[in-house]
Amino acid sequence: AQKVTQAQTEISVVEKEDVTLDCVYETRDTTYYLFWYKQPPSGELVFLIRRNSFDEQNEISGRYSWNFQKSTSSFNFTITASQVVDSAVYFCALRGNFNKFYFGSGTKLNVKP
Amino acid sequence: GAVVSQHPSWVICKSGTSVKIECRSLDFQATTMFWYRQFPKQSLMLMATSNEGSKATYEQGVEKDKFLINHASLTLSTLTVTSAHPEDSSFYICSARDSDRTTGEQYFGPGTRLTVT
Repeated sequence: AQKVTQAQTEISVVEKEDVTLDCVYETRDTTYYLFWYKQPPSGELVFLIRRNSFDEQNEISGRYSWNFQKSTSSFNFTITASQVVDSAVYFCALRGNFNKFYFGSGTKLNVKP
Repeated sequence: GAVVSQHPSWVICKSGTSVKIECRSLDFQATTMFWYRQFPKQSLMLMATSNEGSKATYEQGVEKDKFLINHASLTLSTLTVTSAHPEDSSFYICSARDSDRTTGEQYFGPGTRLTVT
């Protein structure tokens, strides 16, 4: 079974604080991809990152960084020095065999000025 | 970059009527497209897999007679919500899989917000 769990329903931080969004996944597929998407109020999904199951290297892109740990089936997302524009719902997703996406329940991030 | 469009971006219809939503891959071919549904403040749930030239595959619990999917060309899939009811009000998002990419890269459309009154 494929499953993605985002235990944090909503997080509120003050601007410039660092924040980590947690993601834990379950899959029996040996090859899979993990994703993070940002969904602003408009609804459109904004692609942030894709990681394949064989690449456990952490990645940094500007203020964003991702920590992929296969041993704990986690793919956490950290925003450094958060900004008001980071306020949105963030989804972690798994894509396994058959190319279907399985999304977590999402974490709503509120960044207050 | 790869772009997927959806039309309309939002639609309001009366209960009992049908509404068609289009999903187009603008600069690539997509033999496979997917339809997702997102209720307010909830996650995206896969409804069905749309394959060009063949019948769609529906996820468990999705009524195929209510949500008609047609994938008549390599760049267009349509979702028709038949006899819509207020409980069908939702945000519908499609994704298209690039046929030319071995990685099976997919791109999401901007979504269609359906309100049934």
